[in-house]
Amino acid sequence: DVKVTQSSRYLVKRTGEKVFLECVQDMDHENMFWYRQDPGLGLRLIYFSYDVKMKEKGDIPEGYSVSREKKERFSLILESASTNQTSMYLCASSLIWGYTEAFFGQGTRLTVV
Amino acid sequence: EDQVTQSPEALRLQEGESSSLNCSYTVSGLRGLFWYRQDPGKGPEFLFTLYSAGEEKEKERLKATLTKKESFLHITAPKPEDSATYLCAVQAENDYKLSFGAGTTVTVRA
Repeated sequence: DVKVTQSSRYLVKRTGEKVFLECVQDMDHENMFWYRQDPGLGLRLIYFSYDVKMKEKGDIPEGYSVSREKKERFSLILESASTNQTSMYLCASSLIWGYTEAFFGQGTRLTVV
Repeated sequence: EDQVTQSPEALRLQEGESSSLNCSYTVSGLRGLFWYRQDPGKGPEFLFTLYSAGEEKEKERLKATLTKKESFLHITAPKPEDSATYLCAVQAENDYKLSFGAGTTVTVRA
């Protein structure tokens, strides 16, 4: 079975903290994604990685960075957390470029206070 | 820019009452249209991929269809366990990302 695992289900952080969200996939997929999901706005792409150490900005990259040092692991970093980054964060992976579906992790509900 | 609009926002059904969800899209060359199911507090679960107009896919009580401008997700004789938010997403040719709609939340009462 396809599996994408996010390190935390729930996180509470203080404004200004540096926050790391970790994601691991066990399917040898090339592509990995970070989305955030907010009510009424749907899923919005933050960053995408198509290979180790390679990354592309998505629609809303401001305030975020990413790291992909190994093929199976993709980290999202909030450099200085702010209250408007309170959201559900979803990691996904897909096999190759195009024509393949993305599989999602269970999500991390982040609250910044 | 790719756009995906789902309607209605919410749908309340009686068990056994069939209905359809709509996904209208604008994309410069469609590579694929994807349907996902999402339960509260969980990540989306993949249901179907449709690639070309006229294509249909079925899974249990769900059937997805595709035209050049929209896709429908038909729920036949739904059960309470079909209650979830259903998400539609499109991927354009020569693009890596999925553009999602805001979803339709379906509630099926016993």
